[in-house]
Amino acid sequence: SYVLTQPPSVSVALGKTARIPCGGDSIGGKSVHWYQRKPGQAPVLIIYYDSDRPSGIPERFSGSNSGNTATLTISGVEAGDDADYYCQVWDNSSDHPVFGGGTKLTVL
Amino acid sequence: EVQLVESGGGVLRPGGSLRLSCVASGFPFGSFVMNWVRQAPGKGLEWVAGINENGDITNYAESVKGRFSISRDNAKNSVYLQMNSLRAEDTALYFCAKDEAIGGQAALDSWGQGTLVTASS
Repeated sequence: SYVLTQPPSVSVALGKTARIPCGGDSIGGKSVHWYQRKPGQAPVLIIYYDSDRPSGIPERFSGSNSGNTATLTISGVEAGDDADYYCQVWDNSSDHPVFGGGTKLTVL
Repeated sequence: EVQLVESGGGVLRPGGSLRLSCVASGFPFGSFVMNWVRQAPGKGLEWVAGINENGDITNYAESVKGRFSISRDNAKNSVYLQMNSLRAEDTALYFCAKDEAIGGQAALDSWGQGTLVTASS
């Protein structure tokens, strides 16, 4: 099945910009969705179809997708952004969603 | 407001069975694909199973195929996960999640809080 690769961890200073990559074979040809998961809370969809934001998600969150890498960008990082982030695509070969392994974002 | 509330989790021995339930509200339940996603301790999210709008098409992760069964009752706004022959590696927090758009292959835009399943001897 399709494999999505994320770095286990990313660190960023408060107020700076965080970039979280999600690698996959020709992922630029797929639609990528991103989720935020905080401890004790349900996952939240923060970016869908590569770069769209659901209602209520701050503009600080943005996404891009090209070639073999999709990227979640968080501008002006806040303490509350400290969380796990997961990318997800639809795998046509297995006909189901596939998640990346997740990235722990640490705000310094 | 969309709400998904899971129940049915518990502690049981490997080899046992359990049925999870998810009750939905706040949207036309019968119009959307529904999914179960799990997260094992210290691990990432793993999609487990999905069911189409009228319940006649189901799909499963290889890790649970032949052991788990997803079903739904649109009259009760509910989706279920029957889990048989449980293994220690099935220990996880199980989430119910709704597709974001009609037609399938969509993002998962609403999630429940999860119900914990522990398979341990």
